[in-house]
Amino acid sequence: EPEVTQTPSHQVTQMGQEVILRCVPISNHLYFYWYRQILGQKVEFLVSFYNNEISEKSEIFDDQFSVERPDGSNFTLKIRSTKLEDSAMYFCASKTLRGRSNSPLHFGNGTRLTVT
Amino acid sequence: AQKVTQAQTEISVVEKEDVTLDCVYETRDTTYYLFWYKQPPSGELVFLIRRNSFDEQNEISGRYSWNFQKSTSSFNFTITASQVVDSAVYFCALISNTGNQFYFGTGTSLTVIP
Repeated sequence: EPEVTQTPSHQVTQMGQEVILRCVPISNHLYFYWYRQILGQKVEFLVSFYNNEISEKSEIFDDQFSVERPDGSNFTLKIRSTKLEDSAMYFCASKTLRGRSNSPLHFGNGTRLTVT
Repeated sequence: AQKVTQAQTEISVVEKEDVTLDCVYETRDTTYYLFWYKQPPSGELVFLIRRNSFDEQNEISGRYSWNFQKSTSSFNFTITASQVVDSAVYFCALISNTGNQFYFGTGTSLTVIP
């Protein structure tokens, strides 16, 4: 069964450094997402991406964050200058057709980001 | 606005007991979709079930069953004869037909004691 893959599984970085989290969504999916989960807390929406542009973003997704689909397969989340409070599990997700809201999100296994 | 509430933060049961996880949602949309996801200790999010707002038929899949009641805006999840492998955090989620964003509840941590 096709799956969403994320790399790395764990990233440790120092405060103020830039990080790039990588994701390969399921190949025929058209909608891509980033969510994050601070340890022990709820899963929070960051951003959705469709047709090579951001379609929706949350308040969390400020100017420090950016997303990119540099080629036909990768979908990246960049944090320009990490803060301690960015430490969390970051999940990439994808789903199939736009407008098919009943399509479930397929999540990757997550990247645990630790900012020291 | 969309909102999902999972009032039970933590539940512990002894193996083979039945357990029900509650989910209450709020939405102004008439067409929406509800989901349950499982997050085992390894951390990944695993899709369990999807339900459409216009289909209130309950569903059973093995030891899992779901009770969707529009009148009470609830979408509860029952595990029958629980097993240790059921220990996980379970998230209920909502997306409206006009929306693009999944709204997750805060999760219920289930511990099944052998």
